[in-house]
Amino acid sequence: AQKVTQAQTEISVVEKEDVTLDCVYETRDTTYYLFWYKQPPSGELVFLIRRNSFDEQNEISGRYSWNFQKSTSSFNFTITASQVVDSAVYFCALSERNYGGATNKLIFGTGTLLAVQP
Amino acid sequence: DAGVIQSPRHEVTEMGQEVTLRCKPISGHNSLFWYRQTMMRGLELLIYFNNNVPIDDSGMPEDRFSAKMPNASFSTLKIQPSEPRDSAVYFCASSTSSGGLETQYFGPGTRLLVL
Repeated sequence: AQKVTQAQTEISVVEKEDVTLDCVYETRDTTYYLFWYKQPPSGELVFLIRRNSFDEQNEISGRYSWNFQKSTSSFNFTITASQVVDSAVYFCALSERNYGGATNKLIFGTGTLLAVQP
Repeated sequence: DAGVIQSPRHEVTEMGQEVTLRCKPISGHNSLFWYRQTMMRGLELLIYFNNNVPIDDSGMPEDRFSAKMPNASFSTLKIQPSEPRDSAVYFCASSTSSGGLETQYFGPGTRLLVL
């Protein structure tokens, strides 16, 4: 069954520290997408990145980077030189394909609350 | 470009009342999703539409919940009668659906409190 596990419930760091958020997934599909979303205290869900199952290249966007490893079914997210504004809940999600049609049901992890202290 | 629009942003109602949540997807998106977020269950998909047609409503909790999408730019999620356990944040999301697996963009959510 498709499943996303974010084992870290809460992480607290001091500003300028690097922090890595872990995500482990399970799927039977060979074609799938993985996502990270950010939910700041204001409550909205903000899309950060999408990665498909055929592209294992790491990606960097400013202070954010993502490490996708199919061998360990992991898609980890690192914030370099964290800032107070990075404080939020971060969700990892897996897109599940329904073979009966074109669908993209998202399976979310339980989220990791990141608190960056000044 | 406007993102997904949801209304109302906050709703407080009494048990037994009817509640209607509204969503306008991003123009050009033909898939629409309703999610519910609670502390106990996290983010869970309630229903989604493709080209205005409900594809999967297996996440709808019970018959008190219903959703419609009368056209490509509008959807409603109705709870009748509402109960305190329906208190949650309800998100609407939209995406394109060229073969599936497309990115879903979320609205700001409706925070529902049923007293």
